[in-house]
Amino acid sequence: AQKITQTQPGMFVQEKEAVTLDCTYDTSDPSYGLFWYKQPSSGEMIFLIYQGSYDQQNATEGRYSLNFQKARKSANLVISASQLGDSAMYFCAMRELLIQGAQKLVFGQGTRLTINP
Amino acid sequence: DGGITQSPKYLFRKEGQNVTLSCEQNLNHDAMYWYRQDPGQGLRLIYYSQIVNDFQKGDIAEGYSVSREKKESFPLTVTSAQKNPTAFYLCASMVRDRAKGRGATEAFFGQGTRLTVV
Repeated sequence: AQKITQTQPGMFVQEKEAVTLDCTYDTSDPSYGLFWYKQPSSGEMIFLIYQGSYDQQNATEGRYSLNFQKARKSANLVISASQLGDSAMYFCAMRELLIQGAQKLVFGQGTRLTINP
Repeated sequence: DGGITQSPKYLFRKEGQNVTLSCEQNLNHDAMYWYRQDPGQGLRLIYYSQIVNDFQKGDIAEGYSVSREKKESFPLTVTSAQKNPTAFYLCASMVRDRAKGRGATEAFFGQGTRLTVV
């Protein structure tokens, strides 16, 4: 079974600083995908960024980038120039293949990020 | 706008009652999912459905039931057999997006339903 580990239960960062949220994964599948989601207090899951296992370049989406180190099985999220609105729970997730071509997402425990003014 | 709609946003259930959470999508996606989230935790898969009239148990299916009579709809029933139903429930759909690369997938979530047993 696949597993996602987020070792930082909480992080506190000053506004405008960059922040790195850690994520390590464990899988024996050669084809996998990694996701990062932001969950504000309202509960909705907001997609941030996706990295495929075959992608040669690290994914970037605006202020978000994914530091993908395949050999170390790590997929850390980097948020540049943090803003107060970045305060939320952040989840790392991995796509797991199931029977008959089905797939599901396996989630880590999350990191609560707080941006201080 | 295409998306996933969950209702209600908040639901209160008395002990011993069954309740049904609604999930509707207009994305034309085949695969739909129900996840449960407990406070401070990640999401865990309850049930999923790949096509109409077919569904499979996820990791924590006990005490739950689903149906998939239409492609657009995937309701979840929390039965009285579910011993600890108070949680946040999220409905999702997933689709492969080959334009974004080999094996690329997109996942979409509804706004969630917060269920409380009173």
